[in-house]
Amino acid sequence: QKEVEQDPGPLSVPEGAIVSLNCTYSNSAFQYFMWYRQYSRKGPELLMYTYSSGNKEDGRFTAQVDKSSKYISLFIRDSQPSDSATYLCAMILGANNLFFGTGTRLTVIP
Amino acid sequence: NAGVMQNPRHLVRRRGQEARLRCSPMKGHSHVYWYRQLPEEGLKFMVYLQKENIIDESGMPKERFSAEFPKEGPSILRIQQVVRGDSAAYFCASSPAGRGQEQFFGPGTRLTVL
Repeated sequence: QKEVEQDPGPLSVPEGAIVSLNCTYSNSAFQYFMWYRQYSRKGPELLMYTYSSGNKEDGRFTAQVDKSSKYISLFIRDSQPSDSATYLCAMILGANNLFFGTGTRLTVIP
Repeated sequence: NAGVMQNPRHLVRRRGQEARLRCSPMKGHSHVYWYRQLPEEGLKFMVYLQKENIIDESGMPKERFSAEFPKEGPSILRIQQVVRGDSAAYFCASSPAGRGQEQFFGPGTRLTVL
């Protein structure tokens, strides 16, 4: 069983839609939960990170963590064509290495 | 404020040659991490370094791969006697001390082994 599971998609939505991206994990010791965005042939870009269960909002992005279910989500409101990218969830033990999901490829259609 | 710098961006090597990948962390960041991304796979951790010190190399293959972060200059990931299976994108990330949850990534080096 992988440490982090993420549906690879692809996911296509019309412009303006609400996007929901999800990951599950198996290790209850994970402390921080991150979301990265990666455009084709570029490096991952940190969108936001959360520590505890609950919601964290940043502009059109909301990250949600449910530690009891070992489930995290990223919601994108009012999606734009420029949001088309691969979204990677990641989790960390201590201060060391990140464990990544395989990424969900999102296309927002104008 | 420059981000994480990696060079070269593209590297082509023949089987048996050596590959050297360089990474300069963001200003103010003292910790460097190397990850590998194979086609259709997620990013996999390789090694975590501070200046002159390897903290965690649990993701590094035992043979042919080595990493360093000297007191002066960039971090180097070295792959000796490359094989076709080493073809991948190699990403470097950096973070402030004790802030592993704030890893910022460079643009990557795409290694192709012929």
